[in-house]
Amino acid sequence: GENVGLHLPTLSVQEGDNSIINCAYSNSASDYFIWYKQESGKGPQFIIDIRSNMDKRQGQRVTVLLNKTVKHLSLQIAATQPGDSAVYFCAENAGSQGNLIFGKGTKLSVKP
Amino acid sequence: DSGVTQTPKHLITATGQRVTLRCSPRSGDLSVYWYQQSLDQGLQFLIQYYNGEERAKGNILERFSAQQFPDLHSELNLSSLELGDSALYFCASSLRTGSYGYTFGSGTRLTVV
Repeated sequence: GENVGLHLPTLSVQEGDNSIINCAYSNSASDYFIWYKQESGKGPQFIIDIRSNMDKRQGQRVTVLLNKTVKHLSLQIAATQPGDSAVYFCAENAGSQGNLIFGKGTKLSVKP
Repeated sequence: DSGVTQTPKHLITATGQRVTLRCSPRSGDLSVYWYQQSLDQGLQFLIQYYNGEERAKGNILERFSAQQFPDLHSELNLSSLELGDSALYFCASSLRTGSYGYTFGSGTRLTVV
């Protein structure tokens, strides 16, 4: 199965370059944010999360930056690889029970 | 394999019909979430269950219903299907309610013709 979202914004990068994917979230009361990666034919896969009391969090090759002033979230991928090609979604918590509000997604295409 | 199992993977049905989508959560997880992913709406939260009880409801149509059984598997029932219901339906699970880093299944692709 293919990914949904034929009209997604697309970011095209060269293998080895750094990628930056941006997201504007909707609710200033949200206090938890997650980035998900969705490959073709698969469900979203957790990449990294950040709480609102932080402005930066690093994982393996990925960094998430949070700017609460302008309600902006970004995902930086270092040394982008062909396997990073996917659709990336940001998500924010919508309530105490665990449901999330997802952004529209950005398609990352890595050129070898 | 994420550990969350969804069946069937693909479903093609006619307008007006009713279908049931099934989800088995990851072993040990008590909370199940259903999401709909369509071309124009992206990923939309439908409903959440925790240990058999409904805990949160999102943009779920009245034609849709769900339940979680004592063995913790969940079913999403879609009735009086319309063309616009064609979408990917994902189930996710987490250990407890309020746990956001949950695991998604591979989804059921529903096509209504």
